[in-house]
Amino acid sequence: KAGVTQTPRYLIKTRGQQVTLSCSPISGHRSVSWYQQTPGQGLQFLFEYFSETQRNKGNFPGRFSGRQFSNSRSEMNVSTLELGDSALYLCASSRLAGGNEQFFGPGTRLTVL
Amino acid sequence: KQEVTQIPAALSVPEGENLVLNCSFTDSAIYNLQWFRQDPGKGLTSLLLIQSSQREQTSGRLNASLDKSSGRSTLYIAASQPGDSATYLCAVRPRRSGGGADGLTFGKGTHLIIQP
Repeated sequence: KAGVTQTPRYLIKTRGQQVTLSCSPISGHRSVSWYQQTPGQGLQFLFEYFSETQRNKGNFPGRFSGRQFSNSRSEMNVSTLELGDSALYLCASSRLAGGNEQFFGPGTRLTVL
Repeated sequence: KQEVTQIPAALSVPEGENLVLNCSFTDSAIYNLQWFRQDPGKGLTSLLLIQSSQREQTSGRLNASLDKSSGRSTLYIAASQPGDSATYLCAVRPRRSGGGADGLTFGKGTHLIIQP
């Protein structure tokens, strides 16, 4: 069974631009979560989607948004990029929402210049 | 607000040793606790998941325990090998007060080096 896939793997953007990242969950998984990893803050939860609905949201500004499609694939969008948005963005999928085991993808490395 | 702490932050041991990584969390209202490993520049690999009603889980040379009441978990690695070198992360899945689960809350990790 294929794992979680994320595209693109690397991105370079400039301040003020916007970016869209994509995540395809493990087949049969309906929940997708997004996390940001930085050297200073570590791993922080962004949001979780289940059945095309946002179930949870972390403490991030409204510039960070996401959505989930009917095939469970998910995208996250960051508008008006700031230097501090440079990070590894990780997507995780689980069979259901709640207490299910989460499986992570390889991440998208975003660099904002 | 849930906080997760991992001790030690870094550990370097010779190959073959048994070792223990520690994780503590401040709020016992959790669904589960998960241990991950992360290799440099890579995503997270799930090692063990312990549900809140369980005390321990084992997979090969790895054993994880959970004491929810005291807010502690340990990851025991037997007969360590150079391939075990990685950052080990502990994460809890908090229960929301209104029902349902929050996203994972992670510790900062233990950077482990196994010397050949």
